[in-house]
Amino acid sequence: AQSVTQLDSQVPVFEEAPVELRCNYSSSVSVYLFWYVQYPNQGLQLLLKYLSGSTLVKGINGFEAEFNKSQTSFHLRKPSVHISDTAEYFCAVYRGLWSSASKIIFGSGTRLSIRP
Amino acid sequence: DVKVTQSSRYLVKRTGEKVFLECVQDMDHENMFWYRQDPGLGLRLIYFSYDVKMKEKGDIPEGYSVSREKKERFSLILESASTNQTSMYLCASSSGTEHGYTFGSGTRLTVV
Repeated sequence: AQSVTQLDSQVPVFEEAPVELRCNYSSSVSVYLFWYVQYPNQGLQLLLKYLSGSTLVKGINGFEAEFNKSQTSFHLRKPSVHISDTAEYFCAVYRGLWSSASKIIFGSGTRLSIRP
Repeated sequence: DVKVTQSSRYLVKRTGEKVFLECVQDMDHENMFWYRQDPGLGLRLIYFSYDVKMKEKGDIPEGYSVSREKKERFSLILESASTNQTSMYLCASSSGTEHGYTFGSGTRLTVV
């Protein structure tokens, strides 16, 4: 069965420092990969996605992620974080062999806290 | 702006009550989903639907049922609420997995 592992439950970072949120998935077939962000008291919002093509994917709010097939990873990065990036981040994977109704599997989340 | 609307942000119910959580989307999406979110566990899929009157069980369907009588509306029903169903419930819709999901703001349900 496919799964998603977010290696860090919490990541504290100083403002304007770079950050990397780690995500590994298990699957022997082609996948779609996603990162979502959840701000306090809100639903999830799509940050970026990898479907195929270039392994470096750029998303909203200055975030980017790199798909690494050999390491089955999809780490999220930002070169300089802001206080407004404080949120919980979810990595998600879909194994693209099913119908359009098939489900996306979510990781357990990484809480990013920005210190001034 | 496209939207998924959940009818309540906060809800408090008593043990044994029948609870209805409503979700409406205005994007004409075929697929709709109900998740519950608990600290440290991420999002777990309860039920999903890929068409009107169609439903499929997710990973944790026990104690829940769903209804989809119209394309835009997907209801989650707790037949007899229990304290272990206290959680954040998130509804989502999608026109296809490659587009990702659009989520509602969530309903925080407390069962006392």
